[in-house]
Amino acid sequence: NAGVMQNPRHLVRRRGQEARLRCSPMKGHSHVYWYRQLPEEGLKFMVYLQKENIIDESGMPKERFSAEFPKEGPSILRIQQVVRGDSAAYFCASSPPSGAAYNEQFFGPGTRLTVL
Amino acid sequence: GQQVMQIPQYQHVQEGEDFTTYCNSSTTLSNIQWYKQRPGGHPVFLIQLVKSGEVKKQKRLTFQFGEAKKNSSLHITATQTTDVGTYFCAGRESGGSNYKLTFGKGTLLTVNP
Repeated sequence: NAGVMQNPRHLVRRRGQEARLRCSPMKGHSHVYWYRQLPEEGLKFMVYLQKENIIDESGMPKERFSAEFPKEGPSILRIQQVVRGDSAAYFCASSPPSGAAYNEQFFGPGTRLTVL
Repeated sequence: GQQVMQIPQYQHVQEGEDFTTYCNSSTTLSNIQWYKQRPGGHPVFLIQLVKSGEVKKQKRLTFQFGEAKKNSSLHITATQTTDVGTYFCAGRESGGSNYKLTFGKGTLLTVNP
């Protein structure tokens, strides 16, 4: 059973470009969470999605950032017009559909975004 | 909003020494989870505590959840070099969103062989 997959693992963008980060949850998992981690910091919640629904995006900046989890295909975190401050590791986690309040979250390997 | 504090931020020990990291929440938690992240790696789930005063053990690791469900600790007995990494606690607020985890900043453990 493959774990959570994220790609690319490393992404370099110049200021003003767009960054697209992909996350495929574990098989059977329908809940996806995105987190951002700055160096020597904890993980900051960004957004929680279920298939075709954004449940909570309270941790996501209102501008330039968007997320989706379509019926088919991976979840995508999109950052438009990137700035240097967007440089961070972005982790995706997934959990099974039942009992979200008590489920552990399975993390992917992360995408390290560097903005030049 | 909810805040989760962890201390210490860094801990360096000699192999064989014990290690403890502490986690405090500004609000009462419904449950707390602990994760380990190796350098350059991703967080890996260790354990979840749900009940007030709960204590769980995994080999050399002992996890405690406070009576008031606002604090927790992780204790490692006789550290080994394989214990190196950052240990995060993550809490779910009682009565709040039942899925959102708030992470502490973590404790980076380094072990001198």
